[in-house]
Amino acid sequence: AQTVTQSQPEMSVQEAETVTLSCTYDTSESDYYLFWYKQPPSRQMILVIRQEAYKQQNATENRFSVNFQKAAKSFSLKISDSQLGDAAMYFCAYRSAGAGSYQLTFGKGTKLSVIP
Amino acid sequence: GAGVSQSPSNKVTEKGKDVELRCDPISGHTALYWYRQSLGQGLEFLIYFQGNSAPDKSGLPSDRFSAERTGGSVSTLTIQRTQQEDSAVYLCASSPGLATDTQYFGPGTRLTVL
Repeated sequence: AQTVTQSQPEMSVQEAETVTLSCTYDTSESDYYLFWYKQPPSRQMILVIRQEAYKQQNATENRFSVNFQKAAKSFSLKISDSQLGDAAMYFCAYRSAGAGSYQLTFGKGTKLSVIP
Repeated sequence: GAGVSQSPSNKVTEKGKDVELRCDPISGHTALYWYRQSLGQGLEFLIYFQGNSAPDKSGLPSDRFSAERTGGSVSTLTIQRTQQEDSAVYLCASSPGLATDTQYFGPGTRLTVL
């Protein structure tokens, strides 16, 4: 079974600074998807960014980018120019690309605080 | 368009009672998922539905948990004889289909069992 590990239960960053959230995963599969979701106090999980394992290029979405290291099974999220609205729980998630395995496997999450 | 909606937003019940949680997926989405988020266990997969296929129930923690999806749209998660350890946030997600990997989540139902 796949596992996802987020080793930083809490992180903080100064407004306008850059922060990196760590995620590692364990899998024997070669094809899969990786995601970062944001969960603000409203509870709704919001997709931040996704990465297809077969793509070597790191995904980017505006101020959010990932550092995907397939061999190391590492998938970190970098948030640039942090804003107060970025404060939330961040979850790293894994999904197999194989048939019959469509559920997401989540890490325990990292609580990000943004200091004004 | 409208996102995934869930009701009720919060539910408080007494131990031993049955509860029903509802999920309305995004219109046109054929895949629907239920997850549970608790302090001790994090986010866990419970069950998913795809069209008219038999659901994947592999994540349901006990036979007190069941779910159905009527008409390929609305889904209801039922917990019978609730226990205190069932207290959690129950999240529903939908996606356009199996070939599309992004799941869109609803706001969840917070269940408290006294």
